[in-house]
Amino acid sequence: SQQGEEDPQALSIQEGENATMNCSYKTSINNLQWYRQNSGRGLVHLILIRSNEREKHSGRLRVTLDTSKKSSSLLITASRAADTASYFCAPVSARQLTFGSGTQLTVLP
Amino acid sequence: EAGVTQSPTHLIKTRGQQATLRCSPISGHTSVYWYQQALGLGLQFLLWYDEGEERNRGNFPPRFSGLQFPNYSSELNVNALELEDSALYLCASSPEVRSSYEQYFGPGTRLTVT
Repeated sequence: SQQGEEDPQALSIQEGENATMNCSYKTSINNLQWYRQNSGRGLVHLILIRSNEREKHSGRLRVTLDTSKKSSSLLITASRAADTASYFCAPVSARQLTFGSGTQLTVLP
Repeated sequence: EAGVTQSPTHLIKTRGQQATLRCSPISGHTSVYWYQQALGLGLQFLLWYDEGEERNRGNFPPRFSGLQFPNYSSELNVNALELEDSALYLCASSPEVRSSYEQYFGPGTRLTVT
């Protein structure tokens, strides 16, 4: 299975701090995507990084990809209480995304 | 542009009954994916439909089935409901092949089996 595995499972930080979440996967990918899920709702696409890219930015988000280590990281800078959510990485191969169990991020005001 | 819609929002059934969940993809998207998310767990891939055909299914018993209509909307049917089928069922759509396969999710249907 190409399932992404996020680490840590839970992360609690103060507002204004940076949050880093990691993702590992097992086989080659087309791209890797990160999603956010607010409690009990649908997922929202955050950012996509292609297999030939090493780093990508979008607003306060920074994603890195190391295909040699089969890992990715998501950095959220200057976190806000509204960033509290579950974050999932989804490695993509053969047109399919496979989600892990996610990282539950709590940003304390 | 309208997003992915799902109906109903909530569904309560008793064990042994059948449940039907519906999904309308974003206009122009041909692929529909179904996921199950049990409480506190990650998303488990259920089914993938593209151009009216089932392309792949996850590790779920045959009582989970579905179909995709000519207008690309989709239906998920769960027969002989069991208590452990209680979960949030998410539908996602994706544009045609050669895209980045980014998926756009609906708000989900919360199925409760009593």
